[in-house]
Amino acid sequence: GEDVEQSLFLSVREGDSSVINCTYTDSSSTYLYWYKQEPGAGLQLLTYIFSNMDMKQDQRLTVLLNKKDKHLSLRIADTQTGDSAIYFCAENRESSYKLIFGSGTRLLVRP
Amino acid sequence: DTGVSQDPRHKITKRGQNVTFRCDPISEHNRLYWYRQTLGQGPEFLTYFQNEAQLEKSRLLSDRFSAERPKGSFSTLEIQRTEQGDSAMYLCASSLKVAEAFFGQGTRLTVV
Repeated sequence: GEDVEQSLFLSVREGDSSVINCTYTDSSSTYLYWYKQEPGAGLQLLTYIFSNMDMKQDQRLTVLLNKKDKHLSLRIADTQTGDSAIYFCAENRESSYKLIFGSGTRLLVRP
Repeated sequence: DTGVSQDPRHKITKRGQNVTFRCDPISEHNRLYWYRQTLGQGPEFLTYFQNEAQLEKSRLLSDRFSAERPKGSFSTLEIQRTEQGDSAMYLCASSLKVAEAFFGQGTRLTVV
């Protein structure tokens, strides 16, 4: 995912908040996504945000979008050990249905 | 389970052999996608169908790869004359709305 960049690793203590960051390059992106992948499994759609929004909240998840800086973040409140996984940011461009993924951020939640 | 189903989950094949994977999308989803994921990377787009029409193909999809969705329901991805570089997880996804693509568990291919 050369057009979508994420940090590789994040470690947090159980009960703390986690913030996973992503930058993208294409200003024509219409939707931006967060997917979760556990070991050996497929991708689970967590949430997505339309490009004309700047925030979306869904239970413990908060997505923030800064279009000017092309920056997307996912905040997980009260992080649990079950949240340990790889989190992928992805964008969907106006001219195509395909998703462009980042390389993923591995989240480790310490008890 | 009404999610996206992929078969087989794992496939080990010798270099040079042909392999075929199957994907059953969520019922009534008209869009179906194939992605490939190698270790430590995010999924990379391979191809996309709307109903039975293959509307977009990545340059990653060499002429050894072919995908079909004959009746607009399940899809197959065939790799001919497999190479070690084809070893990866092959993921299928389906959607009804543009914004919501749901992925299957994937088929892990190992070419020895």
